[in-house]
Amino acid sequence: EVQLLESGGGLVQPGGSLRLSCAASGFTFSSYGMSWVRQAPGKGLEWVSAISGSGGSTNYADSVKGRFTISRENSKNTLYLQMNSLRAEDTAVYYCAKDEVRYSQMWGQGTMVTVSS
Amino acid sequence: DIVMTQSPDSLAVSLGERATINCKSSQSVLYSSNSKNYLAWYQQKPGQPPKLLIYWASTRESGVPDRFSGSGSGTDFTLTISSLQAEDVAVYYCQQYYTTARTFGQGTKLEIK
Repeated sequence: EVQLLESGGGLVQPGGSLRLSCAASGFTFSSYGMSWVRQAPGKGLEWVSAISGSGGSTNYADSVKGRFTISRENSKNTLYLQMNSLRAEDTAVYYCAKDEVRYSQMWGQGTMVTVSS
Repeated sequence: DIVMTQSPDSLAVSLGERATINCKSSQSVLYSSNSKNYLAWYQQKPGQPPKLLIYWASTRESGVPDRFSGSGSGTDFTLTISSLQAEDVAVYYCQQYYTTARTFGQGTKLEIK
């Protein structure tokens, strides 16, 4: 059974940093691209970033480019999102997802990030 | 970026009736070399993560009931629920994955009338 478990969310001050993790199991992690998608409270879905199975290709939404870095450690079946220079508008539930081509076939339960002073 | 626009924003349908949600992209998501539309539909129930329903605009994900169907090509797409069940109450999102910067529609909230 495919499982994705996010962690690392919490309360952080504006300008601060946070690293999210997503532990994957139930599939050959290195064979699949992975994504981060976020959802602000009461709002819709916003794609944030994606990475190829090897980690050699990454993409970002304009809203996070230059501030967020996606990475993966295939030996540990773990996906990461390093978030720097956080802003109030980054407050959201962050989901990791397993990709097929570029659509997200399976999603984790999400981790909440709150940016507030 | 490709802008995805869904209509309506909310919809109330009686149990057993048909529900139709539309999605329009600001540019074509049909890739000519393989004739595939890079369009997916997701369902999100309250307090849950999204769930993939449809990909390639019309291919139902494994385990998704056959009352859900997707259609359309190019820039105009439709998600149809043929006979609404109580468990279908949710927000539905379309997403294009034609470009590396994937984008979602704003969502359509489906309720029971």
